[in-house]
Amino acid sequence: EVQLVESGGGLVQPGGSLRLSCAASGFTVSSNYMSWVRQAPGKGLEWVSVIYSGGSTYYADSVKGRFSISRDNSKNTLYLQMNSLGAEDTAMYYCARGYYYDRIAYPWSFDYWGQGTLVTVSS
Amino acid sequence: QSALTQPPSASGSPGQSVTISCTGTSSDVGGYNYVSWYQQHPGKAPKLMIYEVSKRPSGVPDRFSGSKSGNTASLTVSGLQAEDEADYYCNSYASTNNFDVVFGGGTKLTVL
Repeated sequence: EVQLVESGGGLVQPGGSLRLSCAASGFTVSSNYMSWVRQAPGKGLEWVSVIYSGGSTYYADSVKGRFSISRDNSKNTLYLQMNSLGAEDTAMYYCARGYYYDRIAYPWSFDYWGQGTLVTVSS
Repeated sequence: QSALTQPPSASGSPGQSVTISCTGTSSDVGGYNYVSWYQQHPGKAPKLMIYEVSKRPSGVPDRFSGSKSGNTASLTVSGLQAEDEADYYCNSYASTNNFDVVFGGGTKLTVL
């Protein structure tokens, strides 16, 4: 069974840092396109970052230069390092797997999501 | 302001059909057949309902269908059921960077 479990969220002061983790089971993180998607309280979804199976990484303009996505293949875990946090980063953060069907990848379609981890940036 | 435009709300009675629109530009919805739709119940993670404009993942009822015309994609829910009441989001691949994904602002579907 495919499962994604996020952790690492919490309350952080403006300008601070936080590292989110997403532990995967039932599939191999390094063989898939993995993204982080966030949702501010009461708001819509916003794509944050992706890491390709080959290791390439991409970011939304809103987080470029501040956030870094990575993975630990030995732990089958995805990470999001977040620096220089501001109030606008307050959100539920989900990790999500890019969809695969018939050996074709759809990295912008997300078939499995974690339950999310809440990040609150406030003084 | 969201990159893709969705109506904030939609509604229908049980058994009826409802269509939700998702309008973008030629750099996203209009330029690629890479539109997806998600269903999100309160306090839950989103669920993939449609990918590549009109394809359904395994397990999604055929009451859910997708289409696209120009820069506007649409999700139609036929034979509305109480459990269809949820928020619905569209997203699309976008060519603004080497890789970019844009979401709509979401539509709250109410089953009357």
